Amino acid sequence: SQTIHQWPATLVQPVGSPLSLECTVEGTSNPNLYWYRQAAGRGLQLLFYSVGIGQISSEVPQNLSASRPQDRQFILSSKKLLLSDSGFYLCAWSVMQYGYTFGSGTRLTVV
Amino acid sequence: DQQVKQNSPSLSVQEGRISILNCDYTNSMFDYFLWYKKYPAEGPTFLISISSIKDKNEDGRFTVFLNKSAKHLSLHIVPSQPGDSAVYFCAASGGNAGNMLTFGGGTRLMVKP
Repeated sequence: SQTIHQWPATLVQPVGSPLSLECTVEGTSNPNLYWYRQAAGRGLQLLFYSVGIGQISSEVPQNLSASRPQDRQFILSSKKLLLSDSGFYLCAWSVMQYGYTFGSGTRLTVV
Repeated sequence: DQQVKQNSPSLSVQEGRISILNCDYTNSMFDYFLWYKKYPAEGPTFLISISSIKDKNEDGRFTVFLNKSAKHLSLHIVPSQPGDSAVYFCAASGGNAGNMLTFGGGTRLMVKP
């Protein structure tokens, strides 16, 4: 069966520190992968999506970047975090059929 | 430009009554619609979907209605239970977006016991 792993579950980082969030998918090949952010009291904002290894599309210009070093691995990074980067980050995957499967999310608090 | 809108940020309903969550879209190319449910500090989970060739899809207590002419869909939960309290997102796909989903802003449902 297909599963998606996302870690860590919670993270508290100081302003200016780097960030690395990882997402891996099991049980499927060549998935489309997505990073979303939900700021407090807000909806789901698409940050990045990838249709294959090394292929990254950015939806919103910001302080973050994404990489896909392997077919089923998606990484969200930042060199220097801002306070405004705080939020709930979600990884998701889809394959051909409509609909996404989401990971359990990472609560990032930048202090 | 928000292509999918949920105009009610919150909704409060008494246990046992019907909950109706609404969603409007502007892109006439959307042909598949989904509802996701999200608890705090968890990822959204798929709830129910509907294709544009249908106007109704039912799954237990959950029914989704699609009015293509009005570009409107709604999720009905009957009867509502306290465990249904969560944020509900509608999403749409199709047309140039392919199977990429466009999400609404979410509606927080509170079911009071």
